[in-house]
Amino acid sequence: DAGVIQSPRHEVTEMGQEVTLRCKPISGHDYLFWYRQTMMRGLELLIYFNNNVPIDDSGMPEDRFSAKMPNASFSTLKIQPSEPRDSAVYFCASSYPGGRETQYFGPGTRLLVL
Amino acid sequence: SQKIEQNSEALNIQEGKTATLTCNYTNYSPAYLQWYRQDPGRGPVFLLLIRENEKEKRKERLKVTFDTTLKQSLFHITASQPADSATYLCALSSGGYQKVTFGIGTKLQVIP
Repeated sequence: DAGVIQSPRHEVTEMGQEVTLRCKPISGHDYLFWYRQTMMRGLELLIYFNNNVPIDDSGMPEDRFSAKMPNASFSTLKIQPSEPRDSAVYFCASSYPGGRETQYFGPGTRLLVL
Repeated sequence: SQKIEQNSEALNIQEGKTATLTCNYTNYSPAYLQWYRQDPGRGPVFLLLIRENEKEKRKERLKVTFDTTLKQSLFHITASQPADSATYLCALSSGGYQKVTFGIGTKLQVIP
C-alpha cells in the first residue's frame, strides 16, 4: 500500500487566500484524522471522521477552518481566509477498523501564509 | 486541565547506551498510551501501545513501562544506535471515541 497520501507537500500563499489541503487515507481504513503541528504547540488534533462522518471537530480553531470527507478515499481541509498564524505542518492520519488507536500518518503539508 | 509533559530539552546519549525518555501526565485517566517516532520532515510513525492494565511492553530493543499511580510512562531504547536519533512523541487516550492527545516530543540524539 502507498500509505496515506497528502497534497500538496508545500504551500505558500498570501494572507486572505483560500487554502485547500487534500488527503487520501490507506484503503480499508475507516478513521481519518487531521492534525496541525507547530513548534510551540506540538501536534494538535483538529477533527476526525469515522466512516466519513465527523466525530469530533472540537479542535478546529475557528470558522475559517472546515473539513469534509465526501467518500472513504478522500478528505479535504480548507482554510478560508488564511492568516499568517495558520502557518504550520498539517498532517492527515488514518486507522483501520478495530485499531483506532494506531494511526498511520501521511508526510504532511507544510503551509506558509505570508 | 489535561496536560502531557515530555522533556522539552534534547537528550544526547552515547551509542550503545540505553536511552530513557519520560512522559508524565496530569488530570488524565488514559485507557492506553502510545509512543511514536518522528523524523525531520516526516509524519509520526507508531512504535508501541500499552494499556492501562499493563505494566510493561517490549518490542525488539524498545521497552515501555506504564505506571498509572505515578502517572508516568518510561520509554527505553537499549543498545542505542545513531539511526535511533529522532523525536519521540507520547500520546494518550481515554479510549472509546475520545481523541488521542500528543505530547510535544523529546528529541533524542545518539552520538557515535
